[in-house]
Amino acid sequence: ETGVTQTPRHLVMGMTNKKSLKCEQHLGHNAMYWYKQSAKKPLELMFVYNFKEQTENNSVPSRFSPECPNSSHLFLHLHTLQPEDSALYLCASSQEREGRYHYGYTFGSGTRLTVV
Amino acid sequence: KQEVTQIPAALSVPEGENLVLNCSFTDSAIYNLQWFRQDPGKGLTSLLLIQSSQREQTSGRLNASLDKSSGRSTLYIAASQPGDSATYLCAVWGGADGLTFGKGTHLIIQP
Repeated sequence: ETGVTQTPRHLVMGMTNKKSLKCEQHLGHNAMYWYKQSAKKPLELMFVYNFKEQTENNSVPSRFSPECPNSSHLFLHLHTLQPEDSALYLCASSQEREGRYHYGYTFGSGTRLTVV
Repeated sequence: KQEVTQIPAALSVPEGENLVLNCSFTDSAIYNLQWFRQDPGKGLTSLLLIQSSQREQTSGRLNASLDKSSGRSTLYIAASQPGDSATYLCAVWGGADGLTFGKGTHLIIQP
């Protein structure tokens, strides 16, 4: 496989459930990201991992918990979500150099999350 | 805080027309700018990446320009086709804080 793969494509969960989103990149990139896309709003950066280290947590509620076990895999663990968390969650990767240069972001197809 | 604005928010034109999508950003201290397209319910597909030292990039019928000092970029689409219908997103990168996106231009090309 090539590119950035996200699973599952669709997820419906209750407010008391615990679930995880998975992202895998096959591009050899050194940085990975979680973005949230809600209707009528720009994409919002949630988390940044560079060389497996979390370098950004954009004031995201603790009910979202990221995990990056290696440079190819990224997870977003979800628990006790709210209906307003329903959105398209997108994973991306890039090859960054010296914190001021990258060669373009590659996005996955996203997970459409519905919280009921 | 960086803000990205895209104009127009929506555009509908007949097939074959040339068109221009606009993007502006408030903080000119960026390293690069990237244009994406997004089809309904799908992820983002990268179209063009312009580094801060570049003025424009071309790919097929697409041409993107960057005027970093004035905080503006344009995406030019030549000879539009129905398959070009999508939402076009502009994003700027200022370093370790990831890309900052505009809300996008929703484009419809009428057959």
